[in-house]
Amino acid sequence: AQKITQTQPGMFVQEKEAVTLDCTYDTSDQSYGLFWYKQPSSGEMIFLIYQGSYDEQNATEGRYSLNFQKARKSANLVISASQLGDSAMYFCAMREGRSAGGYQKVTFGTGTKLQVIP
Amino acid sequence: DAGVIQSPRHEVTEMGQEVTLRCKPISGHNSLFWYRQTMMRGLELLIYFNNNVPIDDSGMPEDRFSAKMPNASFSTLKIQPSEPRDSAVYFCASSTGLAGGSAKNIQYFGAGTRLSVL
Repeated sequence: AQKITQTQPGMFVQEKEAVTLDCTYDTSDQSYGLFWYKQPSSGEMIFLIYQGSYDEQNATEGRYSLNFQKARKSANLVISASQLGDSAMYFCAMREGRSAGGYQKVTFGTGTKLQVIP
Repeated sequence: DAGVIQSPRHEVTEMGQEVTLRCKPISGHNSLFWYRQTMMRGLELLIYFNNNVPIDDSGMPEDRFSAKMPNASFSTLKIQPSEPRDSAVYFCASSTGLAGGSAKNIQYFGAGTRLSVL
């Protein structure tokens, strides 16, 4: 089973509108972390936002917020007031598990390509 | 602050040649990761170092791939001999790797090396 599922291969949004990128995850761990990364056409991977499984508040970072619904195992990224520079691939990722050495592997989803239309 | 630095940014080589990719992690980070990104397989973890020691190399495709971390500020990923199927973007990432495995260990990525094997 996929640990991270991003069901939207591509999305369009009008400039200045809000957009939600979906992410569902699968884990039996109680302690885990969820991340979103942005990959623009230039190729670098940029960390956007983090949500811990025990965090009671939804994470926010500027125009980015994470809609965390633990019971549904979803961690959707909301981008408000979209800008042309938001056009990029967006990856959801999860860290779970813990080895004796404290190692926690991060698993990435397949990504959603967002295009912002002027 | 300097981020993760990778070199070269682009590498074009011929099949059979040795390729060496380099990475300088963020100062103070003691965990280092090498990933490979392709259209077909997405982002795959190749190897993970903690305190310069390889912890998980289960993602290394085969014996042609090797990675070293001689000190806390430098790592290499070597492919010898290279094959066309090795063509991909290779990312290096680092994190603080806090003892106890805090779920918030955010991985910060370098800009990647785009490798083309002809």
